[in-house]
Amino acid sequence: AQSVSQHNHHVILSEAASLELGCNYSYGGTVNLFWYVQYPGQHLQLLLKYFSGDPLVKGIKGFEAEFIKSKFSFNLRKPSVQWSDTAEYFCAVNAADNQGGKLIFGQGTELSVKP
Amino acid sequence: NAGVTQTPKFRVLKTGQSMTLLCAQDMNHEYMYWYRQDPGMGLRLIHYSVGEGTTAKGEVPDGYNVSRLKKQNFLLGLESAAPSQTSVYFCASSRTSLEQYFGPGTRLTVT
Repeated sequence: AQSVSQHNHHVILSEAASLELGCNYSYGGTVNLFWYVQYPGQHLQLLLKYFSGDPLVKGIKGFEAEFIKSKFSFNLRKPSVQWSDTAEYFCAVNAADNQGGKLIFGQGTELSVKP
Repeated sequence: NAGVTQTPKFRVLKTGQSMTLLCAQDMNHEYMYWYRQDPGMGLRLIHYSVGEGTTAKGEVPDGYNVSRLKKQNFLLGLESAAPSQTSVYFCASSRTSLEQYFGPGTRLTVT
């Protein structure tokens, strides 16, 4: 069965610090990869996605992620975080051949940015 | 476009009561999904639909039923609520089996 693991449950950073959130998945086939963000009290919004091509993808608000197929990883990065990046971040995967586009989510990483 | 909307936003139920959550989307999407979000567990898929009149079980379907009589609506029902169903419920829709758009969520408490 597919699974997604986010190793950091809660990350606390100061403004301007660099961010890297880990995401690993288990599935041997072709996958589509996503990072979603949930700001306090709001619904999930898509940050970025990877379907194919360049493994380094850029998303909104200065976020980027790198797909490393050999490591089954899709880590999220941002060079300099802001207080407004305080949110919960979810990595999600679906198998490219699955019917219905079912997403498997990681447990989430709560990011707190101190001003 | 309102996107994906959910009704109600909050609800408190007593054990054994029933209720229906409504999800509506105005993007003409084929695919719709119901997830529950619990602390430390991310989102887990309850049921989903790949088109009007179709439904399928997700990861955690027990205790829930769904219907998709109209393309724009996806209903989630709890026939006999249990405290274990206390959660935040999110609906999502997508045009293809790729990017999903989420609603604002329904916070349900079962006492």
